[in-house]
Amino acid sequence: AQSVTQLGSHVSVSEGALVLLRCNYSSSVPPYLFWYVQYPNQGLQLLLKYTSAATLVKGINGFEAEFKKSETSFHLTKPSAHMSDAAEYFCAVSDLGGTSYGKLTFGQGTILTVHP
Amino acid sequence: DSGVTQTPKHLITATGQRVTLRCSPRSGDLSVYWYQQSLDQGLQFLIQYYNGEERAKGNILERFSAQQFPDLHSELNLSSLELGDSALYFCASSVGTYNEQFFGPGTRLTVL
Repeated sequence: AQSVTQLGSHVSVSEGALVLLRCNYSSSVPPYLFWYVQYPNQGLQLLLKYTSAATLVKGINGFEAEFKKSETSFHLTKPSAHMSDAAEYFCAVSDLGGTSYGKLTFGQGTILTVHP
Repeated sequence: DSGVTQTPKHLITATGQRVTLRCSPRSGDLSVYWYQQSLDQGLQFLIQYYNGEERAKGNILERFSAQQFPDLHSELNLSSLELGDSALYFCASSVGTYNEQFFGPGTRLTVL
């Protein structure tokens, strides 16, 4: 079965520091991969997606992620954290074909705290 | 604003009751997905409809059912509610079945 592991349920960084949120997936074939962000009391907003084109994917708000097949990873990075980046981040995977029909399997989420 | 609307925003009800959650997808989107977000289970896929037909089922309880209407809006029906059903229920829509999904603001269900 498809699974997604986000290493670290809480990550704390200083404003201006590098943000690195880790995501590993298990899948027999490379799936589609997504990062979503959830601000308090809001829905999920798509940050970026990997759909088997370029392995380095750029998203909104300065975030990017690199797909590494050999490591089955899709880590999210941002060079310089802003206070407004404080939120919960979810990595998600979508199997291709079979009976998945694009359903998303989510990781447990990582809460990012940004200190002034 | 994702363009996906969900009503109501909050719902408080008692055990044993039945509720209906409503979702309107983005204009042009044919797929609707329902997800449940709870503290202990995280975000879990419940069910998907594409152009009125059920396509995929996840960990959806038998007490729960859904449908997608000809105008493409969808409803999630939860019956014989239990305390453990308290959660955030999200609807998401996409153009097809493997495209990015856009999430609504969610319905927070509290079962007392």
